[in-house]
Amino acid sequence: DQQVKQNSPSLSVQEGRISILNCDYTNSMFDYFLWYKKYPAEGPTFLISISSIKDKNEDGRFTVFLNKSAKHLSLHIVPSQPGDSAVYFCAASAKDGNNRLAFGKGNQVVVIP
Amino acid sequence: DGGITQSPKYLFRKEGQNVTLSCEQNLNHDAMYWYRQDPGQGLRLIYYSQIVNDFQKGDIAEGYSVSREKKESFPLTVTSAQKNPTAFYLCASSTPRGGDTQYFGPGTRLTVL
Repeated sequence: DQQVKQNSPSLSVQEGRISILNCDYTNSMFDYFLWYKKYPAEGPTFLISISSIKDKNEDGRFTVFLNKSAKHLSLHIVPSQPGDSAVYFCAASAKDGNNRLAFGKGNQVVVIP
Repeated sequence: DGGITQSPKYLFRKEGQNVTLSCEQNLNHDAMYWYRQDPGQGLRLIYYSQIVNDFQKGDIAEGYSVSREKKESFPLTVTSAQKNPTAFYLCASSTPRGGDTQYFGPGTRLTVL
């Protein structure tokens, strides 16, 4: 059973525009959420995270929004750049889960110059 | 330069042979993790270790074994009992506290012929 779901597996966006990636989760015990960026044949790189006590966290061009009542989070990238072309994974962990992460299947983002 | 190293980058083995994947970290992290990624899939947890000389099964531990004799090292053995061993294997580390970010190594691509 997939506890973290990322629909719309791929997204194409023009350079300079906003990229919005969505993630839904089912486990109400999750309290920490992360986004990773991954290039082919490389390890994921940590992008940004958010704790369940917040509803927004911003770091440069990246903003993550958390809607706990809807069990939904999103990642906004603005402005999108060609180097942002990658697969983005949403992940979540529970406070009593030994920091185990549950991952979504990923979203492929292509930024068109 | 702190980080996580995995070697080798590419590994080929014949069916029926055991193979050990290396993971080393110098981040002084207590917790280490092994994940597997298959095409179009998210990362799935194989084994994790919160502290030296202790480890737990993840979601897909069958056919794998690990050891944690040193804080810096967490090798993964893919045994002949693993039915579909060809995959991209990723090692990560973190502090063991909930809500802490996991940092990933570059990965090892294992191909079983």
